Parts: sequence; C-alpha cells; structure tokens
Amino acid sequence: GNSVTQMEGPVTLSEEAFLTINCTYTATGYPSLFWYVQYPGEGLQLLLKATKADDKGSNKGFEATYRKETTSFHLEKGSVQVSDSAVYFCALSGKGNSGYALNFGKGTSLLVTP
Amino acid sequence: AAGVIQSPRHLIKEKRETATLKCYPIPRHDTVYWYQQGPGQDPQFLISFYEKMQSDKGSIPDRFSAQQFSDYHSELNMSSLELGDSALYFCASSGDSGTEAFFGQGTRLTVV
Repeated sequence: GNSVTQMEGPVTLSEEAFLTINCTYTATGYPSLFWYVQYPGEGLQLLLKATKADDKGSNKGFEATYRKETTSFHLEKGSVQVSDSAVYFCALSGKGNSGYALNFGKGTSLLVTP
Repeated sequence: AAGVIQSPRHLIKEKRETATLKCYPIPRHDTVYWYQQGPGQDPQFLISFYEKMQSDKGSIPDRFSAQQFSDYHSELNMSSLELGDSALYFCASSGDSGTEAFFGQGTRLTVV
C-alpha cells in the first residue's frame, strides 16, 4: 500500500537558518504529493503540492520537488523565521487501499528560535 | 472564500456516551474525508464519501458510523465512547478525486 516516511523531529533551528525536512514515499502509480503545516492548536493547512514528476511546489519561501527516481519530496526553505515554528506533514494522495485519501507521514516538529 | 466548517469545535463526553460531529464541505465539493489525529500523532484516515455514497474506509472502529446527506454535509457518529477516542477529528473536502483536500479546523473530542 501507499506510505510516507519523513524525518523525525523535533528540529530546532536559529532564525535565518536553512531548513530541510526529508520525505520519501512508497506508492503504486503516480501519486500527488503534499506538504501540510499545522500550527499549535490549529487545523491542517496545505503548504504546497506537486502532482507529477519533476514538478516543484512552492509557497511562502518553502519549496519541494517531486523526484520520482528517488521517490522523494523533501521540503526546503532558505531562511526560516520564528513564525515557521509548527509541525510539518508530508502526504500523498494516490489510488491505494483507501482510495484517494491522504496518507500522512508522522510529522516533523520545527522550532525556530530568535 | 468559503472553507470547510466543522462543528462543534470542542466536545467533552463521558465514557460510553455518544457523540455526533458535523462537517460542511466547501460548496460544490463532492468528496468528504474524515480523519482522526491522536495527541502527537499523524492524522489517520477513517472514512470518505463521494456523491453521498461511502467511497472508502480506513481505520474506523465499528462503534463509529458516518453518512453524507443530500446537501453534502456529513456527520460522524461515535457511540460507546472510550478514553482512547479523545482526539482531534478533521473533516476535509475535495472537488474531485485525486485533487487537493481542504481541511476544516477540526473538532477536539475529549472523553472523560
């Protein structure tokens, strides 16, 4: 079945540091890939997405490229801010055991300090 | 823009009681998903509906049931509540299978 593996946190960075959160996936066919962000006490917000190989999703300075050859969708940001502190979930949607429902990774908690 | 609306936002129930969670999808979205997120956990898919019919089932306990109504809103019914049912319950909607899902703010259920 479909699954997502992402690096465990927590990740602690200083403001303006470079961020990478690794995400790899297992899926049949051609899934769509997503990064969701969850701020404390809030719901899930879509951060960015990519629907086919070599697509790059980007939003708010975050980027991720759909790499089919390495089955990866790593999240990057060149300069993090304190306001980026949140939990980040990598997810995929593709025809699997649960239809097109999202399969989430375990989440990576990011703390950015001033 | 209209978003996914969930109610209530918070709910406290006692063990063995029943709870009903409601979800109002984005207008013209025909697919609704329900997820359960335990403390410090990733969201787990429970069940989904497409055009008012159940389309897929995930790790939903037999004590839970759900349906989608003619106006596309959905309700998750939870009976014989257990302490372990305490979690955030998210509803999401999408306009077409395979496209991005938009999440509601969630209902935080606490079973005491």
